[in-house]
Amino acid sequence: QSALTQPASVSGSPGQSITISCTGTSSDVGGYNYVSWYQQHPGKAPKLMIYDVTNRPSGVSNRFSASKSGNTASLTISGLQAEDEADYYCTSYTSSSTLAFGGGTRLTVL
Amino acid sequence: EVQVVESGGGLIQPGGSLRLSCAASGFTVSTNYMTWVRQAPGKGLEWVSVIYGGGGTYYADSVKGRFTISRDNSKNTLYLQMNSLRAEDTAVYYCARGEAGGGHDAYDIWGQGTMVTVSS
Repeated sequence: QSALTQPASVSGSPGQSITISCTGTSSDVGGYNYVSWYQQHPGKAPKLMIYDVTNRPSGVSNRFSASKSGNTASLTISGLQAEDEADYYCTSYTSSSTLAFGGGTRLTVL
Repeated sequence: EVQVVESGGGLIQPGGSLRLSCAASGFTVSTNYMTWVRQAPGKGLEWVSVIYGGGGTYYADSVKGRFTISRDNSKNTLYLQMNSLRAEDTAVYYCARGEAGGGHDAYDIWGQGTMVTVSS
C-alpha cells in the first residue's frame, strides 16, 4: 500500500494563500471522489477539514477549500492565519478497500 | 457530547498481545463506520483498519493477520486486538468515527490516542 505524495513543507505569510498538493494514482485519488484532508497540531488529534474532495464539515472555516484534477488533489488555505500552522494530511479511499494517507505537509506561517 | 476515548495502551514486549478499546458516547458505534489510525513517534499518520456498519472489516497490509478490529454493540465500544507485536508497531493509536453526514472514508470524531510501545 503506497502512501500518497505530499510536499514535506510549505510556507506563507499571514494573509497569503497557499496550496498543498496530494498525488496518487488512478487506483486511489484519481479513481474515487473520496479524498479528505486533515489538520494536526503538535500533540493533538487530527481534525477533519475537507471530505469527499470538496466538502467542508460544519465549523471549518471557508478559508479552507479543495479540489481534484486527475490523480492529484489540492488543499488551498486563503487568508493565512497564525493558527493555521500545523501538519496537513490527505487521504484517499483505494481500490483495495483501504485508506491511503499522504506523508504529511508541515505548514509554516512566516 | 459526541466523543471517543481510547484506552489499553502500554509497554509490551515484542511478540506480545494487547487489546485497545475505544469507548464511544453520543452516538452508536454499530451504525457508523469506525477506524484505527496510528502515528509512530515523529512520523506521519498511518491507517490501520476499518469496520463498516454492516460489519465488513479491512486492514493495512502491515497489520493483516496480526490485528483484529471488532466492536461490542452492548458496550458501544470499538476494539483493536493486536497480536505478534513488533517494534515497528510502536505508535499512538487513534480511533475515529466515520463522518456522520454521508462522507466516504472520512473521520470527524477522533480520540486523544493511546500510546503503544513495543520494546524489550
